[in-house]
Amino acid sequence: TQLLEQSPQFLSIQEGENLTVYCNSSSVFSSLQWYRQEPGEGPVLLVTVVTGGEVKKLKRLTFQFGDARKDSSLHITAAQTGDTGLYLCAGANLNSWGKLQFGAGTQVVVTP
Amino acid sequence: GAGVSQSPSNKVTEKGKDVELRCDPISGHTALYWYRQSLGQGLEFLIYFQGNSAPDKSGLPSDRFSAERTGGSVSTLTIQRTQQEDSAVYLCASRLEGALGGYTFGSGTRLTVV
Repeated sequence: TQLLEQSPQFLSIQEGENLTVYCNSSSVFSSLQWYRQEPGEGPVLLVTVVTGGEVKKLKRLTFQFGDARKDSSLHITAAQTGDTGLYLCAGANLNSWGKLQFGAGTQVVVTP
Repeated sequence: GAGVSQSPSNKVTEKGKDVELRCDPISGHTALYWYRQSLGQGLEFLIYFQGNSAPDKSGLPSDRFSAERTGGSVSTLTIQRTQQEDSAVYLCASRLEGALGGYTFGSGTRLTVV
């Protein structure tokens, strides 16, 4: 059973379009992280959010942490083919050795 | 090193054989984690090392799985008497202890049991 539910599981869009990926949980997390993974590689950290209601921007990517620290979203503006990859959200708690609970991931494909 | 290094990158083994997977974390990172990524399963936590000790082994799926870490650096994950269901990508990650910051992952070892 996934503690973190990601939606959608798969997203195919054209270059220039916008997209949003959601990460939801019934549990509260001390922090939530987003990673992107490409085939044959390990996940690469994009952002860590720790404060309820926090919004972080990384160029065309906007990350939001819910007020109750149970959910998060990733919004990509004007997607590019280089944004293609598996996007993973992961939650951590201070009392669990920094162990991450991962969502199943959202496969994003951006076509020219 | 500059990143987390894992070896081998690919391993094909016969059912029933033992395998050892190696992880070389970023120098100075005291926290080290092993995860397993299976198709359709996402990343599953296996074990956490704080220095050379493992305070959380709760994710190891059976007693065929064991891990050790020496010198606060290199870690080895050993799977004895491999089964087909052990086929997966095994990922190692390290981070600075005490921070809520993200991990740095290695590229993983793809294990195929035939």
